[in-house]
Amino acid sequence: DVKVTQSSRYLVKRTGEKVFLECVQDMDHENMFWYRQDPGLGLRLIYFSYDVKMKEKGDIPEGYSVSREKKERFSLILESASTNQTSMYLCASRGRPEGGGYTFGSGTRLTVV
Amino acid sequence: QKEVEQNSGPLSVPEGAIASLNCTYSDRGSQSFFWYRQYSGKSPELIMFIYSNGDKEDGRFTAQLNKASQYVSLLIRDSQPSDSATYLCAVNVWGSNYKLTFGKGTLLTVNP
Repeated sequence: DVKVTQSSRYLVKRTGEKVFLECVQDMDHENMFWYRQDPGLGLRLIYFSYDVKMKEKGDIPEGYSVSREKKERFSLILESASTNQTSMYLCASRGRPEGGGYTFGSGTRLTVV
Repeated sequence: QKEVEQNSGPLSVPEGAIASLNCTYSDRGSQSFFWYRQYSGKSPELIMFIYSNGDKEDGRFTAQLNKASQYVSLLIRDSQPSDSATYLCAVNVWGSNYKLTFGKGTLLTVNP
């Protein structure tokens, strides 16, 4: 079964820390995405990548960066964590050609204290 | 701004009834349409996708697409309490680099 794996299910970090969220997919998908999901705001796209070392900003990139050194791995970095970054973070991947939607990881619930 | 609109609900139906979930989208360049189910505290899982006008059936689920009216719907027949979840509509616009635009979801509650 195809899988998108996020390294942590729950994470608690302190304000100002640098936080790394890891996502690995085993489907050889070119496209990978990071979203955050907050009550009442829905899914908001932070960054996405359509190829190794390629990245594009989504709708809310401020305070975040990403890294994609290998096709299967897409990392989200919170440069200096703040309490307003407390959220559910979801990684997703999608292949080419178009043949279905995203496959999501199980999510990381991040709390910044 | 490409938008996908859903009624937030909650939509409450009795067990065994048909649940009807609706979604409208603003971009006429939209090409493919997806329905995801998300249980509380879990990540979204794909239920169905549809590309062409008309109906597509998969078990108890039917997706309906009307591109002229710019809406897509999901019907759930013989609703079960286990169908209680938030349903997300997502749209892929041509040229959007494989990104999906999501609605905020409709909360469905199926009462035993």
